[in-house]
Amino acid sequence: KAGVTQTPRYLIKTRGQQVTLSCSPISGHRSVSWYQQTPGQGLQFLFEYFSETQRNKGNFPGRFSGRQFSNSRSEMNVSTLELGDSALYLCASSSLTSGVSGELFFGEGSRLTVL
Amino acid sequence: AQTVTQSQPEMSVQEAETVTLSCTYDTSESDYYLFWYKQPPSRQMILVIRQEAYKQQNATENRFSVNFQKAAKSFSLKISDSQLGDAAMYFCAYGGAAGNKLTFGGGTRVLVKP
Repeated sequence: KAGVTQTPRYLIKTRGQQVTLSCSPISGHRSVSWYQQTPGQGLQFLFEYFSETQRNKGNFPGRFSGRQFSNSRSEMNVSTLELGDSALYLCASSSLTSGVSGELFFGEGSRLTVL
Repeated sequence: AQTVTQSQPEMSVQEAETVTLSCTYDTSESDYYLFWYKQPPSRQMILVIRQEAYKQQNATENRFSVNFQKAAKSFSLKISDSQLGDAAMYFCAYGGAAGNKLTFGGGTRVLVKP
């Protein structure tokens, strides 16, 4: 069974640009969540999608957005990039449909560098 | 809001020895899960162990076990018979009723000396 796949793995952007990251969950998983990992702030929850609907949202500005497609694949977009957006962006999928948290399966992440 | 605190930035252990990682959390929820995740260098994060808050029995997965003290809001991880492959960042995480929104601690780096 294929794991969570994130693309691209590495990318470099300049301030003011926008970026789109993609995540393909494990087959059959309908929940996809996104996390930002930085040395200073650690791991922070961005948002979660389930059946194409945003179910949870973290405390990030509106420049961070996401969506989920009918095949459960998800994308996140960051507009008007800032230096502080440099981070490892992790996607995780879960088979949980409702209720209390289940096990998350993480991808290897997309490392974004903003110059 | 929930918070998770890992007070040990780094722990060192001799191969085959035991190390215990500390984690405390704060929540007003009664139904939740606690997790330990392992993130090896440049590799993906994987689940080590999970504990349901309503279960009094401490979870165990092979060489990994937890000491869950609900009243004290403490959730420590014990790694027994440490192996070189255990070297990684370990994150304690809290998951409440809000689906898969996890709150992570700052992490503890585990170094294993041969």
